[in-house]
Order: sequence, then C-alpha cells, then structure tokens
Amino acid sequence: DIQMTQSPSSLSASVGDRVTIICRASQNIGTSLNWYQQKPGEAPKVLIYGASDLYSGVPLRFSGSGSGTEFTLSISSLQLEDFATYYCQESHSAPRFTFGPGTKVDVK
Amino acid sequence: QVQLEQSGAEVKKPGASVKVSCEASGSDINWVRQAPGQGLEWMGWMDSNSGYAGVGQKFVGRLTLTTSASRDTAYMGLANLRSEDTAVYYCATVGITLNNWYFRLWGRGTLVTVSS
Repeated sequence: DIQMTQSPSSLSASVGDRVTIICRASQNIGTSLNWYQQKPGEAPKVLIYGASDLYSGVPLRFSGSGSGTEFTLSISSLQLEDFATYYCQESHSAPRFTFGPGTKVDVK
Repeated sequence: QVQLEQSGAEVKKPGASVKVSCEASGSDINWVRQAPGQGLEWMGWMDSNSGYAGVGQKFVGRLTLTTSASRDTAYMGLANLRSEDTAVYYCATVGITLNNWYFRLWGRGTLVTVSS
C-alpha cells in the first residue's frame, strides 16, 4: 500500500503570508495527487487535482506542484478564509485511495 | 460546491449495524469517514452501473456498498460496530482525468455514534 505523509502537521501564519505544505508518497505516483481543504464542521473541498490543476472556482492564490514522490501546495497570500486543514490524496492505486494525515493552518 | 444529500445522524450500540444513504443519481460513489479530531479515511467505492464494489482492506467483511434499483441512491452498510467506528461518514463522487481520480462532490456527512 502507498503511504502518504505531510509536513508540517500544523503551522501558524498571518494574513498575507505565503504558505507551503509538502506531501510525500512512499512510492512514485506520477501526478496522481490531489489537495483538499476542510474547515471545521464542513465536508472537504477539492482545490487541486492532478498535482497542479486548479479546480473550478478555486482562487488563483492556491497552486500545486510536484510529481513522483514529492508534492507541494502553496498559498501565495493567506486570507482569513484559508485557515483550515489541508489534505493530500493519492489516486495512483485507484479505485483505492489514501489520504495524507493533514496539515492544520491556524492564526499566528 | 453542490453537495450530495445524505441521511441523518445515527446512534448505535456496539455490535449493531448502520446503513447510511447518499443521493447519487447514477454516479460512482466513494465513502470516506472521519473520526472526531482525526483525518480522512477512504473506505470503499461502488460503480453504480455495474454494481461492482471495492472495499478497503480494513473494512473487508464489515462494509457493504449497494445502490437502489433506480441507481439514484447509494447505501453504505457497516456491521459489527465498535466505539472506534464513531465518525462522520461522507459520500463523494469522483472526477476522472488522465491517470488521476479525485473526489469532486461531497455529501454533508452523516455522524454515526457508537455507544453503549
């Protein structure tokens, strides 16, 4: 089975900061990697699919990059509504999937 | 984002079974759960057209995925419940691009509480 890790597990940031979250896969997954945002009490929402494609309606300050085993989610200028938990998810094993453990972004 | 409609919260005793529904309109449906304060855990997937279902290794023997005859509602059944099954259960449809599947639309979630 593919194992997913994320770093950091949490971070504190201020509005306007640039934020970077790293996701690593235990084996080469190409670009079969997606990112989700989840706020307390809400279902997750897809932000990035295929490692770098921005889902419809997602602000341009979000971007994704990487391939193989290391991936990055970046937020260019953090906004109040971006404080949330972010998860990566691999689909190399589709139709079986694995999520990363999550990265919580909170207010510094 | 449009959300899928799921059935309401359930409270079950250990050893019981639960069945959660998701209005899916013929879509392939995945089930993901989240224990309180924890991360997301994929459980299984069903192709609503063929009826083929894939279940995560952790849930083999306990998880049953079905659809209605009209294929507009998907069901997730989990048997032999224990306290660690207390979680919010989500259904989600997939988007498929070249070499990639992602969870495109999600339900609001159904809280299942297992308690004696």
